[in-house]
Amino acid sequence: EPEVTQTPSHQVTQMGQEVILRCVPISNHLYFYWYRQILGQKVEFLVSFYNNEISEKSEIFDDQFSVERPDGSNFTLKIRSTKLEDSAMYFCASRPPGLTGADTQYFGPGTRLTVL
Amino acid sequence: QKEVEQNSGPLSVPEGAIASLNCTYSDRGSQSFFWYRQYSGKSPELIMSIYSNGDKEDGRFTAQLNKASQYVSLLIRDSQPSDSATYLCAVQTGANNLFFGTGTRLTVIP
Repeated sequence: EPEVTQTPSHQVTQMGQEVILRCVPISNHLYFYWYRQILGQKVEFLVSFYNNEISEKSEIFDDQFSVERPDGSNFTLKIRSTKLEDSAMYFCASRPPGLTGADTQYFGPGTRLTVL
Repeated sequence: QKEVEQNSGPLSVPEGAIASLNCTYSDRGSQSFFWYRQYSGKSPELIMSIYSNGDKEDGRFTAQLNKASQYVSLLIRDSQPSDSATYLCAVQTGANNLFFGTGTRLTVIP
């Protein structure tokens, strides 16, 4: 069964450094998302991406963040100048095209980002 | 602000019992509703989706939706220890983004 994959599984970085989190969505999916979950808190929407552009972004997704689909398979989240409060689990998700019934988002295993 | 509220629990039920999980949401325009299961340190795993008022059954799981009351529930019949996890209610807006509740931690006692 196809699945969303994410690399790395764990990223440790120093405050102020840039990190890139990578995702490979399910191949026939057209909508892509990033969510984050700070330890012990709820899953929070960051950004959605469709047709090579951002569809919507949350208040969390400020100028520090950017997303890119550099080729036909990868979907990346870049965090510039990381802060301690960026430490969280970051989930990529994708969903297929279509009408209701195809709304389901499938989540990758996540990347745990630790900012020291 | 779109809110999704869940009782954080923990909810403990004996093995074989019915577990009942509840969720309310604030955005009346929401159209799609999901229950995800999340084991500690893992990603959300889809259990059920529901779009219309009423009940939807899938194996031991039944989702219930009442849009007038802005209420979604999940029933787990014949609960098993492997069902012990945090259950996340998620509501999808017109922009197709998911808003999650904080989750209810379920423990099934053997």
